[in-house]
This record gives sequence, C-alpha cells and structure tokens, in this order.
Amino acid sequence: AQSVTQPDIHITVSEGASLELRCNYSYGATPYLFWYVQSPGQGLQLLLKYFSGDTLVQGIKGFEAEFKRSQSSFNLRKPSVHWSDAAEYFCAVGALKYGNKLVFGAGTILRVKS
Amino acid sequence: EAGVTQFPSHSVIEKGQTVTLRCDPISGHDNLYWYRRVMGKEIKFLLHFVKESKQDESGMPNNRFLAERTGGTYSTLKVQPAELEDSGVYFCASSQDRRGRQETQYFGPGTRLLVL
Repeated sequence: AQSVTQPDIHITVSEGASLELRCNYSYGATPYLFWYVQSPGQGLQLLLKYFSGDTLVQGIKGFEAEFKRSQSSFNLRKPSVHWSDAAEYFCAVGALKYGNKLVFGAGTILRVKS
Repeated sequence: EAGVTQFPSHSVIEKGQTVTLRCDPISGHDNLYWYRRVMGKEIKFLLHFVKESKQDESGMPNNRFLAERTGGTYSTLKVQPAELEDSGVYFCASSQDRRGRQETQYFGPGTRLLVL
C-alpha cells in the first residue's frame, strides 16, 4: 500500500533559524512528489514538486527539497525561517500507475518563535 | 487567471440533512479531484473526474456521497444524509490533462463542513 510519513506533527523554530521537515514514502511505483503548505484560513498552496531530473528542487518562498531514492525521502528545507512561514506543511506522493491521485502525509505544523 | 474556487467556504448542518459542495476548476483543466480531511487525519482522495467522466471513485466512503460534473466544467459533491463523521474539510483540485504524464494538481481553499 502507498503511504507517506511525516514523523513530526509539530515543529517549533526560531525566526532566522534553519528548517528541515521530513517526509518518507512507501510506494510501489516511480513516485513524483510534492510539498504543499496551508496557512491558517487558506487552501493548499504548492511549494515545489519533483517529477524527474535534478534531485534538488527549488520552490517558492525560498524553500527547497531533495529527493533521495535510496532513502525514500523528500525532505523540505529552508535556510532561514520567517514568521510568515508558520503554517501546516504537507508532503504528497503520486504516480501514473495509480492514476495521479495523491497520497498525503499527516502534515507538520510549523510554529515560528520571534 | 482564476484559481480553483469552492463554495461554500463553511457549512454547518444537522445530522440527516443534505449538503452540496461546489468546485469550479481552473479554466481548461480536464482533471478534477475531490479530497477530504477529517479532523486529525490525513488528506484523503475521494474521486477523480476526467471531463465529465468518473475516472476513479475508489475513495468515496459510501453511497451517501454523490459527485457529478455535468458538462465537464464545475463539479458538485452531495452528501445525503449527512452523518457526524462526515465533518471535515473538503478540498477540490484540478490539473491539465497531460496525456498520461505527471501532472500538478492545484487546490482550492476547501469547504469546512461541520455536521452537528
């Protein structure tokens, strides 16, 4: 069965500190991967995606993620967090084999301390 | 270009009532998806339309849920009769048809449904 694990339910970082959100997946097909963010009262916004090619992908708002096939991971990083980054972050996986429907992780709530 | 829109943004109904959620995809997007997040759980796939046809409805929880996409434009998701466990956030997403290639799904703001 396909599954996505985000092991951290809550993370608190200080403003200006670096951030890494973890995502591991178990998938019986060549995956393509996404990170979405949901700010309070907002919908899901696409941060970045990986389909193929360079395993380090850049996204909006200064985020990046690295696909590591050997570790089945797609961790999200940001070198310096801003207070406006406080939100819930979702890792999602899809595959052509499964009709492109996405499987989501449980989400990680990021709190930023000033 | 307008994004995916959903209506209503919030709905509070009593158990046993009917609610209809609407989703307007991005113009030109043939693929339309419904997802749901119940309290404390993951966002889960409900179903997928390609134009007006249901491509995959494997995630629909039971026959109290009926989704339609007449004319291949907007979609509605009706819950009848609503039960307490139907409470949650219902997301709609759309994507271009890329002929069997990976696609990016763009999500709407969601409809927050509370069944009392």
